Amino acid sequence: KNEVEQSPQNLTAQEGEFITINCSYSVGISALHWLQQHPGGGIVSLFMLSSGKKKHGRLIATINIQEKHSSLHITASHPRDSAVYICAGETSGSRLTFGEGTQLTVNP
Amino acid sequence: DVKVTQSSRYLVKRTGEKVFLECVQDMDHENMFWYRQDPGLGLRLIYFSYDVKMKEKGDIPEGYSVSREKKERFSLILESASTNQTSMYLCASSTPRTGVTYEQYFGPGTRLTVT
Repeated sequence: KNEVEQSPQNLTAQEGEFITINCSYSVGISALHWLQQHPGGGIVSLFMLSSGKKKHGRLIATINIQEKHSSLHITASHPRDSAVYICAGETSGSRLTFGEGTQLTVNP
Repeated sequence: DVKVTQSSRYLVKRTGEKVFLECVQDMDHENMFWYRQDPGLGLRLIYFSYDVKMKEKGDIPEGYSVSREKKERFSLILESASTNQTSMYLCASSTPRTGVTYEQYFGPGTRLTVT
């Protein structure tokens, strides 16, 4: 069993739909990171959170420390949101343990 | 803006060759990381470094070594490339502060093919 697990692995949505990607972790972490990877490989950091909820534009990330669970929500999805979304738990010394990623496709 | 650059986007090498992958960051970050990314396995940590001349093994260090002679540069070395090292290699950097966590900034990646 992976220490960080994401679901679903693949997600297809219609433009405008509300999207949720889930992440569960079984290790002690100091923070939970959400990353986005577009075709071509470049990875950018979306959120880094250790409690509660963060919002940036149409993206919202939440974390429940007791349940060891985090969610990434996208409101009013758009085709440009199509990417791989990766969650990662930060352990000692800034090390990240990654989930396998969720491939999101948003159709127009 | 933080910039992390990698020496090549695409690289093709032959089995047995010595391969150098270079990573440079321009934000004076203490931490630097090398990952490989494979379908179905996600990102896995190969080596990392917290300071100049310092290195730590990650989860999959076998077949790799690293060098950090200067703070801004972190090199990944494949001593004798093998076909199972065909992968996407990503470098990242971050700066730690006690009690505070900082995001990692990633380079564009190097897609290495070993034939």
